[in-house]
Amino acid sequence: SAVISQKPSRDICQRGTSLTIQCQVDSQVTMMFWYRQQPGQSLTLIATANQGSEATYESGFVIDKFPISRPNLTFSTLTVSNMSPEDSSIYLCSVRRDTEAFFGQGTRLTVV
Amino acid sequence: GENVEQHPSTLSVQEGDSAVIKCTYSDSASNYFPWYKQELGKRPQLIIDIRSNVGEKKDQRIAVTLNKTAKHFSLHITETQPEDSAVYFCAASKGGSYIPTFGRGTSLIVHP
Repeated sequence: SAVISQKPSRDICQRGTSLTIQCQVDSQVTMMFWYRQQPGQSLTLIATANQGSEATYESGFVIDKFPISRPNLTFSTLTVSNMSPEDSSIYLCSVRRDTEAFFGQGTRLTVV
Repeated sequence: GENVEQHPSTLSVQEGDSAVIKCTYSDSASNYFPWYKQELGKRPQLIIDIRSNVGEKKDQRIAVTLNKTAKHFSLHITETQPEDSAVYFCAASKGGSYIPTFGRGTSLIVHP
């Protein structure tokens, strides 16, 4: 299994500001994943974070809006930039062990 | 890319009844199909999975079936209990990255 600590667990932010979410894993992993889960919706992959290289973004997501850092093999951050109410969502980090995906507890973001 | 459709979006059953959730996928190269359960306010967790070389897999009250020809797979829960109430996500992925593409989720409500 994998133990993933994600923080903050929730935040309320003003539009136009940025929020950085942190994700810490209990052991080294090659890839870390960031997902968005809008209310009542599925898990949508934002990007894959690799240590030592730029993150790979999925269609519809761009680095300027969701910059990602991956300074080492156990840690990653996702920043939600220049927020608008449409960014209100749950953001989850995830890692893979063999074929199984493990998730952090999520960050519930509300933009007002 | 892969597209996963999941039905129904909501399923309400009486305790003791069976529940069936169905998913279809588009990419014939997908070969790994996990199911995740997400209880309210918690992170998604793997409950069962099936690989493309197997047609059915059981684990106590839950079972998954896979029809590769038709590209659909299903989750079956027998003798449902109130603690089965949650959102269930199907997913499809393929070897190499095993990055899952998730369905939209099914909210299962089990009435005592």
